[in-house]
Amino acid sequence: GQQLNQSPQSMFIQEGEDVSMNCTSSSIFNTWLWYKQDPGEGPVLLIALYKAGELTSNGRLTAQFGITRKDSFLNISASIPSDVGIYFCAGQRIQGAQKLVFGQGTRLTINP
Amino acid sequence: DVKVTQSSRYLVKRTGEKVFLECVQDMDHENMFWYRQDPGLGLRLIYFSYDVKMKEKGDIPEGYSVSREKKERFSLILESASTNQTSMYLCASSQLGLRGRNKNIQYFGAGTRLSVL
Repeated sequence: GQQLNQSPQSMFIQEGEDVSMNCTSSSIFNTWLWYKQDPGEGPVLLIALYKAGELTSNGRLTAQFGITRKDSFLNISASIPSDVGIYFCAGQRIQGAQKLVFGQGTRLTINP
Repeated sequence: DVKVTQSSRYLVKRTGEKVFLECVQDMDHENMFWYRQDPGLGLRLIYFSYDVKMKEKGDIPEGYSVSREKKERFSLILESASTNQTSMYLCASSQLGLRGRNKNIQYFGAGTRLSVL
């Protein structure tokens, strides 16, 4: 099955740094979702995007739905230790589809 | 708050055993999903159900079956467990719908880490 290309696969940063990750596809997507998975837990939704060009913030997190509808990015500003985890992008490729396509995940590690 | 509960956090089984993974959601969601998560591969869909007794194969259904006898419960069955089914299994649910800001959002359980020896 198709997966989204998510990069980078892993990041090692210092506390306080900004973080940027993205997802790309060769296909158009109608919805982009960003999830975070804490160690030993299931993914939790961070941000949902529904329109091309949409820019949405959730605290220190900002995500955008790319204008071409083939990509999305997530930024985290001023990282803190609790930002550690795996971040997944997910998209709905076909209007009305109930299934999502997931990226491979970005594992974020923060050095205090 | 939506709650998706997976019956076990950790399971250890032997090769050839029949394994049941149970998932219950409390939000009256129509859709339920089973994924497996392996390092570097992200989440891969095993099976999907959009209604009671209805099921649809995902990307990697081989070696698995599912059961949905009640709306709130979706079971994943490994008929004869094998070592390559050692993985993290995640259940999710979502509301059926084409409109609104909450469409397509899937809510996940905490996962079941299965080891097959």
